[in-house]
Amino acid sequence: DAKTTQPTSMDCAEGRAANLPCNHSTISGNEYVYWYRQIHSQGPQYIIHGLKNNETNEMASLIITEDRKSSTLILPHATLRDTAVYYCIVRVRGADGLTFGKGTHLIIQP
Amino acid sequence: DVKVTQSSRYLVKRTGEKVFLECVQDMDHENMFWYRQDPGLGLRLIYFSYDVKMKEKGDIPEGYSVSREKKERFSLILESASTNQTSMYLCASGPGRLDTEAFFGQGTRLTVV
Repeated sequence: DAKTTQPTSMDCAEGRAANLPCNHSTISGNEYVYWYRQIHSQGPQYIIHGLKNNETNEMASLIITEDRKSSTLILPHATLRDTAVYYCIVRVRGADGLTFGKGTHLIIQP
Repeated sequence: DVKVTQSSRYLVKRTGEKVFLECVQDMDHENMFWYRQDPGLGLRLIYFSYDVKMKEKGDIPEGYSVSREKKERFSLILESASTNQTSMYLCASGPGRLDTEAFFGQGTRLTVV
């Protein structure tokens, strides 16, 4: 699986959009970008995934650059409950298991 | 909603005890996984299974075994618990090898004394 690089921590004001970057410069053509988050004392929660095109669901949007070497997860209107560690994972869909890095600790400020 | 249920939220066991961590999912998923999570090391895959009675080693299988007798249940076994197995254990399930959106349980915090 391609390695990912994320900032260790980020702050965002409540009600604003939270933009979480992820670099994956060694990504292969068949590797997907996945995002999970882990709220304190809970198991990780799936957010969204994509291959080339931008994706949106009820939780977030995923913007993947044209060269696929980086992506951004967007939480459009962050709330205090969005405070969590966010993991960007790059892997082949259908592969076994998920490799989690250190993630970004997003802190939403009131 | 998919539900992955782990039998215990907190567990304290003695060194040398045999420990069973149970995980049940209610969505008929083929894939099930066991991870452990430690500060500074993140989540690490211990074992996974993609079918009943099938199991595959993950990145850190030493000291653990697993059992999958029924599709909905995946058990992690510590044959002889040691203090370095004190950790948060997370179970996950997913809908098949071609689809990898995994759903996690709440975790079991195991302390071995």
